[in-house]
Amino acid sequence: DIQMTQSPSSLSASVGDRVTITCQASQDVTVSLNWYQQKPGKAPNLLIYDASNLQTGVPSRFSGSGSGTHFTFTINSLQPDDFATYYCQQYTSFPWTFGQGTKVEIK
Amino acid sequence: QVQLQESGPRLVKPSQTLSLTCTVSAGSISRNDCYWNWIRQSPGKGLEWIGYIYYSGSTHYNPSLRSRVTISVDTSKNQFSLKLNSVTAADTAVYYCARAVVGGTEYFPLWGQGALVTVSS
Repeated sequence: DIQMTQSPSSLSASVGDRVTITCQASQDVTVSLNWYQQKPGKAPNLLIYDASNLQTGVPSRFSGSGSGTHFTFTINSLQPDDFATYYCQQYTSFPWTFGQGTKVEIK
Repeated sequence: QVQLQESGPRLVKPSQTLSLTCTVSAGSISRNDCYWNWIRQSPGKGLEWIGYIYYSGSTHYNPSLRSRVTISVDTSKNQFSLKLNSVTAADTAVYYCARAVVGGTEYFPLWGQGALVTVSS
């Protein structure tokens, strides 16, 4: 299985901050990498697919980059609605696997 | 707008079979650009992809669960189902059904609300 390692596991930030989360794959996943946001008690919500493509309807303050084994997810100007847990997920090979999540908390 | 809804028993005894159904509403399950998935989330293991089924009935499972999992589809009811047998406390989790877009790129744009299933005697 391809292991997806996110860092940090959690972070504290203020409204307006720029937040960056990294996702490291144990093998090359090219750009087969998606990012999701999850709020408590809710299902994950797709934000970014294919490493850098913004899902329809997702605000442009969210962005993703990277390829191969190293990926970055950025929130520019953190908003109150963005406090949540974020997950990366690879689909280059089965089984599809997720990172362990990064919880973004209010400072 | 297409929606997914999980249903089924929320409490299962150890060694028994967990059974859940996902109903697809406001859209057809018989699409050739989608896989219909089950994903679970537990505190100990995070998000874990269980497997998917295509409307034709072809399946793909996570090897870690393959010996215990069956996913089936009923196109006449617009539903797909999960059976996980010989459950233990480690199978306690929120189970989600989700639609995967496929065809060169694959991602989960649509999820059900989730069903918390507890394995306990």
